[in-house]
Amino acid sequence: EVQLVESGGGLVQFGGSLRLSCAASGFTFSTSAMNWVRLAPGKGLEWLSAISGIRGTTYHADSVKGRFTISRDNSKNTLYLQMNSLTAEDTAVYYCAKPGPDGDWGPQYFQHWGQGTLVTVSS
Amino acid sequence: DIVMTQSPDSLAVSLGERATINCKSSQSVLYSSNNKNYLAWYQQKPGQPPKLLIYWASTRESGVPDRFSGSGSGTDFTLTISSLQAEDVAVYYCQHYHSTPIAFGQGTRLEIK
Repeated sequence: EVQLVESGGGLVQFGGSLRLSCAASGFTFSTSAMNWVRLAPGKGLEWLSAISGIRGTTYHADSVKGRFTISRDNSKNTLYLQMNSLTAEDTAVYYCAKPGPDGDWGPQYFQHWGQGTLVTVSS
Repeated sequence: DIVMTQSPDSLAVSLGERATINCKSSQSVLYSSNNKNYLAWYQQKPGQPPKLLIYWASTRESGVPDRFSGSGSGTDFTLTISSLQAEDVAVYYCQHYHSTPIAFGQGTRLEIK
C-alpha cells in the first residue's frame, strides 16, 4: 500500500524558511516522479513543484520559482520542499502527491496523496 | 502556460438529480501522438486530501462509483454525477497534465439543494 507522510510544517515568520519532508513507502520511490501541491485558505489547489524519478529533473511553478526547491533522497525514500522568503500568501496545507504510473516522468495525474502538513506564515 | 477555468464556481443540486461541472483549458490538452486527453478530475472534502476520480478525461479510477463520469476532448471537458448522493458534497477540481506547469481549475463547490 502506498503511503505518503508529510512533516515539517508549522509557524514561521515572514521572510523565514522551512523545509518540508514527505516519507514514502509501499512503492519503488527511486523510480517514481513526485510532486508538491498546496491548498491555501479560501483558495483552490495549486501545483508547486515536481521532480522526476531517476534523473531528478525538477519543475517549479512561476509563483515559487527561485524561492522553493524540490529535491529527493532516494536512499531515504524521502521527498523535500525547501521554502525560503516565505510570505503570508504561502500559508497553506502542503501535500506531496504521487502520479499513478511509475516511471521517471509519466503522466502526472495524482493517484496518491499524503494527508498534508500545515504551514502558517505570520507577519 | 495552460490555464484551466471551471464553471460554475458553485452548484446546488437536489439529491438524486444530475450534477454537471465544466472545465475549459486555454489550449488543447489532447496529444495527437496517442490521442489521449491529459485531463484529470479530483474530489476534495474538508480536512481531507484530494481524491482522484477520473484521468485521461474519461477513465474512472478504481473504486470510484459509476455515477461519476468524465467526457470531452481538446479544450472542453465535463464531470457528471448522474444521481447526486449526500456524500458527494465536496469541491471538485479539474487538472491538466499535458505539460509543465501543471495546473488545476479554481474548483467548483457542490452542495445539496
